[in-house]
Amino acid sequence: DTGVSQNPRHKITKRGQNVTFRCDPISEHNRLYWYRQTLGQGPEFLTYFQNEAQLEKSRLLSDRFSAERPKGSFSTLEIQRTEQGDSAMYLCASSLINQPQHFGDGTRLSIL
Amino acid sequence: RKEVEQDPGPFNVPEGATVAFNCTYSNSASQSFFWYRQDCRKEPKLLMSVYSSGNEDGRFTAQLNRASQYISLLIRDSKLSDSATYLCVVSRTGAGNMLTFGGGTRLMVKP
Repeated sequence: DTGVSQNPRHKITKRGQNVTFRCDPISEHNRLYWYRQTLGQGPEFLTYFQNEAQLEKSRLLSDRFSAERPKGSFSTLEIQRTEQGDSAMYLCASSLINQPQHFGDGTRLSIL
Repeated sequence: RKEVEQDPGPFNVPEGATVAFNCTYSNSASQSFFWYRQDCRKEPKLLMSVYSSGNEDGRFTAQLNRASQYISLLIRDSKLSDSATYLCVVSRTGAGNMLTFGGGTRLMVKP
């Protein structure tokens, strides 16, 4: 399968814990995006990378959130001290520059 | 006010019907326009790009009116498999092509 891969598919954790998600983009894609989607809403942009450089971050990305793409390939999104409001589907997408974005299956986060 | 507005629906239509969805966007700097389809608890998938001249892909026709900042999607001869949420999406090239999504319009096609 050469699509965008996200792990884990589901994550259930207690409030206050840290969680980390991983995204493996389509191999030749130099852009990688993170979005968050809550129930009944469309996805909302969080941040994006071009190769290893993080070029833009949304105001939605509080200080508890950090994303990395150390070698310009896979990316991780970490949420520290999780809160109830962090419960959502976290979607990763990748693309070539100025080409359509392809989404992964997402990681569904549930905060108890 | 959201940057991309859609009627959430649901639109309940019989098989074979023609259905149209509309969407408005507020940022006049938007340069690229898309319709994505999202099935329940799945990722969004690109349905089609939307061009100023209008474009068609099989049973699907998309239109863009830049002056009114309005995008439409027409589905002819609806199939049961068309049941999904349709997301109107805009982006600006200078903003890293980040996508701005509407809230989605839910379509349910019934036998």
